[in-house]
Formats: sequence, C-alpha cells, structure tokens
Amino acid sequence: EADIYQTPRYLVIGTGKKITLECSQTMGHDKMYWYQQDPGMELHLIHYSYGVNSTEKGDLSSESTVSRIRTEHFPLTLESARPSHTSQYLCASSEFGYEQYFGPGTRLTVT
Amino acid sequence: AQKVTQAQTEISVVEKEDVTLDCVYETRDTTYYLFWYKQPPSGELVFLIRRNSFDEQNEISGRYSWNFQKSTSSFNFTITASQVVDSAVYFCALSETQAGAQKLVFGQGTRLTINP
Repeated sequence: EADIYQTPRYLVIGTGKKITLECSQTMGHDKMYWYQQDPGMELHLIHYSYGVNSTEKGDLSSESTVSRIRTEHFPLTLESARPSHTSQYLCASSEFGYEQYFGPGTRLTVT
Repeated sequence: AQKVTQAQTEISVVEKEDVTLDCVYETRDTTYYLFWYKQPPSGELVFLIRRNSFDEQNEISGRYSWNFQKSTSSFNFTITASQVVDSAVYFCALSETQAGAQKLVFGQGTRLTINP
C-alpha cells in the first residue's frame, strides 16, 4: 500500500493568485495521476505521468500544469486561480499500473 | 471507448440490511481489470478490490463480497449486515491501457447511506 501525501488539505484563495498543490509518495511508484472531483462526485483525470520528465494531459481539459522532476513528487500548478477552479483535487500513484492509491485530496475554493 | 455505469446514484438502508451496489462496464479489451473504491466523508479514495478479466471467481472479504460476471459485463458489490461506518460513496472502475500508462475509467459513484 502506498503512502501518498497532499498539501494543503484545504485552501481558500482569491481570484488571480498562483497556487501549487503538492503531492508526494514514498513508495517509488512510477505512475502518478491528478484527478478533479466536483460535488457531483464524478472523478475526472486531468494529468498523469509515466515517470520522471513525463507528463500527459488527461481526459478533462484543465488550465493547470504539472511537472515530474523527481519520482516521488508530482505538483500541480494553477497560474491564475479562478472561481471555476473550485473543486477537490486528488492525487494518486500506481506501481505497475493496476490499482491506484490515492492521497487525502485538496479542497480548493477560489473566491 | 471504455465505460463504467453505476445506475444507482444514491441508496439508503437501515443498519444490518444487506445492500448490493451495481456496476456494469463496457470494453473491447480481452484483458482488463476491475476495481472498487470507497470514498468516506473525509474525502480520500480507499482501494477495496481488484479483479482481472480471467478470474470470475466471486470474492468475499468479511462482510464484503463481489460478484463478477463477464456474460453480463457486471461487477457487483454486496455489503452484508451493513453498518453505519459503511456510509460512503463507492466507485467502480475499469482499467484502460494507453501507451503504457494504465488509466482508470470511473463510474459515476453510488452514495450509500446506512441509517442507524
């Protein structure tokens, strides 16, 4: 089972601010993922990575960007936050691409 | 394209009742994996089970059991003698392999409420 951490857990920020959501895992998993989950419950994949220096866009278009400079770290950045970015963001990692293990999530509110 | 359908948006039962959450999937792959996740009110998704497409044996883990039937493309989840702590949103998911990164296709989720 993976240990995967996300910070902050909750973030309230004003429109136009730049934010970075942190995600780290300690299990050495190559594959990492970011999901966006709205109150309607459905999960949408917005970014994923096969490994270091690899990033791909997911199924849902997102204005956020990601980087993967280290295996254990997969941060997500919003250059200019907007109220439409208000959502829960979930990070996950996977060893062989089977089950994904999720972090606790970041609940983002943009005012 | 792969698709997972959880037709039950919300289910509410009284404690100790048995409850089954339905999951129907669509895929053209011959090899695939199915998953169930639990999302309690705290927000994180907790992995419950993985099944591969070649193993149709039912699985039981304590009060939880899973019924996988390829003939009907279903992977249903039953909780026996439900407890209040089982209240959560449950997601069924299907693996999708694209260029080496296996992605999960999630269903819409079923919100299960167990009333005392």
